[in-house]
Parts: sequence; C-alpha cells; structure tokens
Amino acid sequence: GAVVSQHPSRVICKSGTSVKIECRSLDFQATTMFWYRQFPKQSLMLMATSNEGSKATYEQGVEKDKFLINHASLTLSTLTVTSAHPEDSSFYICSALSPGTSDNEQFFGPGTRLTVL
Amino acid sequence: GNSVTQMEGPVTLSEEAFLTINCTYTATGYPSLFWYVQYPGEGLQLLLKATKADDKGSNKGFEATYRKETTSFHLEKGSVQVSDSAVYFCALSDGGTASKLTFGTGTRLQVTL
Repeated sequence: GAVVSQHPSRVICKSGTSVKIECRSLDFQATTMFWYRQFPKQSLMLMATSNEGSKATYEQGVEKDKFLINHASLTLSTLTVTSAHPEDSSFYICSALSPGTSDNEQFFGPGTRLTVL
Repeated sequence: GNSVTQMEGPVTLSEEAFLTINCTYTATGYPSLFWYVQYPGEGLQLLLKATKADDKGSNKGFEATYRKETTSFHLEKGSVQVSDSAVYFCALSDGGTASKLTFGTGTRLQVTL
C-alpha cells in the first residue's frame, strides 16, 4: 500500500513552453503533498507544500509564479513549470503525507526528469 | 537552519562486507532522524527512523543510532547483499513528524559479488 505515482517519468521540452507534472496517491488520500527538486549529486530541496483545497506554501527562493502548484483533489497534485528555461532542467520528486501511518510518514513518487532545450 | 551532511559516494563493497554510511546533522531543538533508500527507478522509501536521542532505528538488517552528543545518525549493516545496491539518503525533520524533511546529498552503494 501507500503508492505514489508521477507522470510523466521524463519530459523534454523547448525553452519557453510550460510543462505539467502530475503526482497521484494511488491507494490513500493525501491532504498534504510535497514537491522537491534534485540537482545531480545534490540533496532533495523542498520547493513547496501542497494542501488540498488551499494555496501551496512555497519555500524561500522558489518563484510561485514560475512553479504553479494545484492540489485539486485528495489524490492529485500538479506542478506546472511555466515558461521553462534550461536552468529549470532537473529531477522533480513529489511525496504524499499519509495520515494513517505513524508520524505521518511521507511516501515518495519515482520522480520526473525534466530537460529543457 | 537545518542541514544534513553525509559521506560522498559511491561506496563499493563486496557482498557480505560491513557497511557504514556516515551522517551528521545541524538542527535546532530535537529533530527526528531518518534514512531513506532509493532503488533504481523507484521512489524514496523510508528505511528506518529515530525520534529521540539514543533511539536505535532498525530494518532489514540496517541500524542507526541517534547520537545527540555527536549529532550523528550513521547507517550500518553487518553484511551487505547485492540487493542492497541503491542510493541512501539521511534526513531530518523538526517537531518529530515526517513533514518538511531536510535531506543529505545521498550516498550511492554498489555491492558486487
């Protein structure tokens, strides 16, 4: 149980276009999801906390107009990278908080590799 | 702010060798500490955790002890297997819950026959 999926697993786009990444909790409802970004050989950096039915909370230094987050249902959160540029190329990972586990454990998706040409 | 430092990889070991992956942290208060593992093509999975000083987390033969005096949470396993090959992340969370995790850079472990 407690499976989180991401789609797509990898995407290549042209500079200036927008890309949407989906994060789904497959067998549980998640009121809270997190979006992380990972650069090569670096740690996962929390970008934002996504709460169902409300605005996302962004970490310092993350442009909310650049990285649009929508958590419209208890099983789906989306991250849209708007007007993507090569510096946005990265590995994006989501996680979902499961309130049914001890310490509200986070369950992670497999990640999405974004390459902006 | 909070930070986690873990040893750089890759770590290459022969099967049945002893494993140690070092992890130290900086945090205010009393964080909870975690080790996550990421197998190829999969998402991060919680391997073990400890929520207070001197706690020992253990799972699948892996162990880590929360050492407040040295601000460390080193991961150990007495005898690694090829199937343990993965990337291991040390992480901490304020307040004792698994929200807002701060991660280390990850250490890749490669176990060979």
